[in-house]
Amino acid sequence: NAGVTQTPKFRVLKTGQSMTLLCAQDMNHEYMYWYRQDPGMGLRLIHYSVGEGTTAKGEVPDGYNVSRLKKQNFLLGLESAAPSQTSVYFCASSRGLAGVAEQFFGPGTRLTVL
Amino acid sequence: KQEVTQIPAALSVPEGENLVLNCSFTDSAIYNLQWFRQDPGKGLTSLLLIQSSQREQTSGRLNASLDKSSGRSTLYIAASQPGDSATYLCAVVDNYGQNFVFGPGTRLSVLP
Repeated sequence: NAGVTQTPKFRVLKTGQSMTLLCAQDMNHEYMYWYRQDPGMGLRLIHYSVGEGTTAKGEVPDGYNVSRLKKQNFLLGLESAAPSQTSVYFCASSRGLAGVAEQFFGPGTRLTVL
Repeated sequence: KQEVTQIPAALSVPEGENLVLNCSFTDSAIYNLQWFRQDPGKGLTSLLLIQSSQREQTSGRLNASLDKSSGRSTLYIAASQPGDSATYLCAVVDNYGQNFVFGPGTRLSVLP
């Protein structure tokens, strides 16, 4: 039982390049989330999904796209990376809403955009 | 818009001390509040969850309190140990129960 895993762990991009971050969970959770963490700002929600085939915007969705084609996977895409997207990205999953179910977090992906 | 702040940003204490971490939020209409621990290079681990109707929760050496009307929560750590060194984040969930709003965290160092 691996919990929540993220791929890759580290990545360096040049401005304008694209990439996809993969999040996978093996707990059969319905809800999945993508956050970014910046120094002094805590975690901010980018996008989330309440089930396979669904996605919704969080607090800071601009510049990102997501897809949830399979229940166990939640992909975060950057179509044209910008230096402002340099951050640590965390994925999380839960069996229910944040108010009622514990969120389980992945180890993070550290992204640098030059 | 809900905003969450945590004071202090960093704290260093000798082993064995009792300590208090503070969390403040601007909108008292919350569903619950959670405290998380984050170790360097790792994700977050949930420590304690307090429902809006509760005043406190305890787990081992940890005690979290909630004063919703004043928009404050504290995390009390008794008899601190070097293994407690980590960043502690609090997060509130609004009354729709949808999503977390996180504070920036307090980085705790417990010196042997």
